[in-house]
Amino acid sequence: GQSLEQPSEVTAVEGAIVQINCTYQTSGFYGLSWYQQHDGGAPTFLSYNALDGLEETGRFSSFLSRSDSYGYLLLQELQMKDSASYFCAAQNRDDKIIFGKGTRLHILP
Amino acid sequence: DGGITQSPKYLFRKEGQNVTLSCEQNLNHDAMYWYRQDPGQGLRLIYYSQIVNDFQKGDIAEGYSVSREKKESFPLTVTSAQKNPTAFYLCASSLYPGAAKNIQYFGAGTRLSVL
Repeated sequence: GQSLEQPSEVTAVEGAIVQINCTYQTSGFYGLSWYQQHDGGAPTFLSYNALDGLEETGRFSSFLSRSDSYGYLLLQELQMKDSASYFCAAQNRDDKIIFGKGTRLHILP
Repeated sequence: DGGITQSPKYLFRKEGQNVTLSCEQNLNHDAMYWYRQDPGQGLRLIYYSQIVNDFQKGDIAEGYSVSREKKESFPLTVTSAQKNPTAFYLCASSLYPGAAKNIQYFGAGTRLSVL
């Protein structure tokens, strides 16, 4: 079956760096996306990787290794507003997107 | 402002009742999607549509129905056959179905509860 695995919760300190890992098992894999969702809100797109390597967008970076079926989201200079759930999502060639169950990020002052 | 509008924000369903959730987008996107989110869970795909008058079942389509008569609109009906409908429903759209980078834009969601 198709699935994505990510930790259910991660805790970090304000100003620090945190990495959220994601491993995937899908057929027809195209690329890996990351979304942020605050409580009660809509998910918003953060980044996308189709090729191996690191993509940087401000404080957020995302990495993909296709050979390892693995990716991660790196958040730097953590701020309290970064407290949210983060979802990895695998895009397949059939235009379906499979979402992981999400990682809830807790930030301590 | 361009975006996706879902209504209502909250919806209550009685036993045996069908209810319809509205989703409208003015982004001129070709593809639209419906997801269900349960507490502490990821998003599960119910239905998606890549073009007007066509749609495909997702992973949990049983008990749901959709239509795509206009590019801007993709309503979801939760039928009485869906025995556990309480969830947060999210509608999304993307510009080009099948594009290498399929960014999904989400509406604010509808929270459905059973009376």
